Amino acid sequence: AQTVTQSQPEMSVQEAETVTLSCTYDTSESDYYLFWYKQPPSRQMILVIRQEAYKQQNATENRFSVNFQKAAKSFSLKISDSQLGDAAMYFCAYRGSGYALNFGKGTSLLVTP
Amino acid sequence: KAGVTQTPRYLIKTRGQQVTLSCSPISGHRSVSWYQQTPGQGLQFLFEYFSETQRNKGNFPGRFSGRQFSNSRSEMNVSTLELGDSALYLCASSFGQGSYNEQFFGPGTRLTVL
Repeated sequence: AQTVTQSQPEMSVQEAETVTLSCTYDTSESDYYLFWYKQPPSRQMILVIRQEAYKQQNATENRFSVNFQKAAKSFSLKISDSQLGDAAMYFCAYRGSGYALNFGKGTSLLVTP
Repeated sequence: KAGVTQTPRYLIKTRGQQVTLSCSPISGHRSVSWYQQTPGQGLQFLFEYFSETQRNKGNFPGRFSGRQFSNSRSEMNVSTLELGDSALYLCASSFGQGSYNEQFFGPGTRLTVL
């Protein structure tokens, strides 16, 4: 079974600064997808960014980018120019041949003014 | 286009009762997945339905069941409720079943078992 590990239960960043959230995963599959989801206090899960394992180029979405290291099985999320609205739980997730999303335990991000 | 809707949003039940939760996917989406979120276990996959057939099932006891209707709407049922079933139940829909299909989540149903 695939496991996803987020080693940082909580992170804090000042407004306008940059923060990186870490995620590692374990799999024997070669074809899979990785995701970062954001869950604000409303509990609505929102897709932030996704990465296809077969693509070497790191995905970017505006202020959000990833550092995908396939050999190291690492998938970190970088948030640039942090905003107060970025405060939320962030979940790293893996989706392979089983189709189900396997989530990490999450990182709670606090953004301070 | 309307998003994924889940009803009810909040539910309080007592041990031993059963409960049915409903999920209406985004129009045109044929795949519906269910997840349980608890503080202790995090987000765990329950099951996935595609074209009215259960395609995938997580590691949950048989008390948890589901179904999907011809209009892609899905229900999940939990029988003989236990205190540990208290959780946020999230439903997600996608157009197809493949891993590349983005899953869109609903707002969840908060179930409290007393």
